[in-house]
Amino acid sequence: DTEVTQTPKHLVMGMTNKKSLKCEQHMGHRAMYWYKQKAKKPPELMFVYSYEKLSINESVPSRFSPECPNSSLLNLHLHALQPEDSALYLCASSQLTLTGIVENTEAFFGQGTRLTVV
Amino acid sequence: KNQVEQSPQSLIILEGKNCTLQCNYTVSPFSNLRWYKQDTGRGPVSLTIMTFSENTKSNGRYTATLDADTKQSSLHITASQLSDSASYICVRGSTLGRLYFGRGTQLTVWP
Repeated sequence: DTEVTQTPKHLVMGMTNKKSLKCEQHMGHRAMYWYKQKAKKPPELMFVYSYEKLSINESVPSRFSPECPNSSLLNLHLHALQPEDSALYLCASSQLTLTGIVENTEAFFGQGTRLTVV
Repeated sequence: KNQVEQSPQSLIILEGKNCTLQCNYTVSPFSNLRWYKQDTGRGPVSLTIMTFSENTKSNGRYTATLDADTKQSSLHITASQLSDSASYICVRGSTLGRLYFGRGTQLTVWP
């Protein structure tokens, strides 16, 4: 199983709503990522989790709140979003080597959640 | 400033033909140089990963090359198929798993 599964595939939410994006993988990967991709733009890194701990936060606004409840799951909690937050949100995972190095391991991406904020 | 520049921005070729996509990166050293294929509205799919010590890597009809001296990489696609129509993205891998994506080359294969 080399899949990263993201749910929901599409989400429309109002600016006062609270919603969550979910990501799941069963490849035993201990590094998981959230990326944001606007139309016709490259993905931009938001967060990195290593061994279920947040290792990188690329200065993402606090209205985005990540959570890694276990080694297979990654959530992104959304609250008070703005219309400009509408984008494709991609989850990815990769192996960590025995020394915790992730640089040269393949990253597997999910299909993404298409988020529209109205 | 984007650390990865790709050319051409878009390309149209006929089915069965070969093509080569270019990538220039501006920052080194780096951990690895990757090529991904992304269909519209879908997640990227890895094609190749090369460390800075590798010159070439193949994956079926895809062959990537890397010249660390000139900071250039290329992706060669042979015998193109209609399903090859997608965005091809050059990605620089850095510390802690950070990936820096280029803007991609939009390839369209016509029958």
